[in-house]
Amino acid sequence: DAKTTQPNSMESNEEEPVHLPCNHSTISGTDYIHWYRQLPSQGPEYVIHGLTSNVNNRMASLAIAEDRKSSTLILHRATLRDAAVYYCILCRGSTLGRLYFGRGTQLTVWP
Amino acid sequence: DAGITQSPRHKVTETGTPVTLRCHQTENHRYMYWYRQDPGHGLRLIHYSYGVKDTDKGEVSDGYSVSRSKTEDFLLTLESATSSQTSVYFCAISEAGDNSPLHFGNGTRLTVT
Repeated sequence: DAKTTQPNSMESNEEEPVHLPCNHSTISGTDYIHWYRQLPSQGPEYVIHGLTSNVNNRMASLAIAEDRKSSTLILHRATLRDAAVYYCILCRGSTLGRLYFGRGTQLTVWP
Repeated sequence: DAGITQSPRHKVTETGTPVTLRCHQTENHRYMYWYRQDPGHGLRLIHYSYGVKDTDKGEVSDGYSVSRSKTEDFLLTLESATSSQTSVYFCAISEAGDNSPLHFGNGTRLTVT
């Protein structure tokens, strides 16, 4: 399965934008890029996903590099509630839920 | 929030006893999954279901069985619990089986002594 590489941890101040990077150099043409986050003592929460074009939703934006070998999750204004582990995952339809979550990035948000 | 309820939320059991964890959804989604989460391993897929009575194995299925007799319920059974099955178990659902987002429950913390 194609893997992703993320920094172990990042920090931000409240109300500042946060850019969470993810490298996926072995991505295939049919792999979607998914982002999930996990707050303490909760299950992972879907954030956003995309294939080639940049995507926006109420939670975040996803910027995908032109060669698709990297992507960036953008939180426009971090809040304390955004402190979580963020997972960047490659999702292929044929793998049906066999998502490789890895270690993710621990985001700390300071007040 | 997706309507997913896992029960029990916490359980302590002894080695060798059978244990059943329940996942109940109110979203009428076709696909349901069981994962376990352990430090250093992330989330790993145990079993999944693509419809009533249709199930298949994930990457860590040994020692586990599942059943899905109704769309809304997906049961995970540990026939004879072992200490290596101490973990946090998450149920997830998705509307379709391709690249649809997964929605997770809040987990069951199982301790096998």
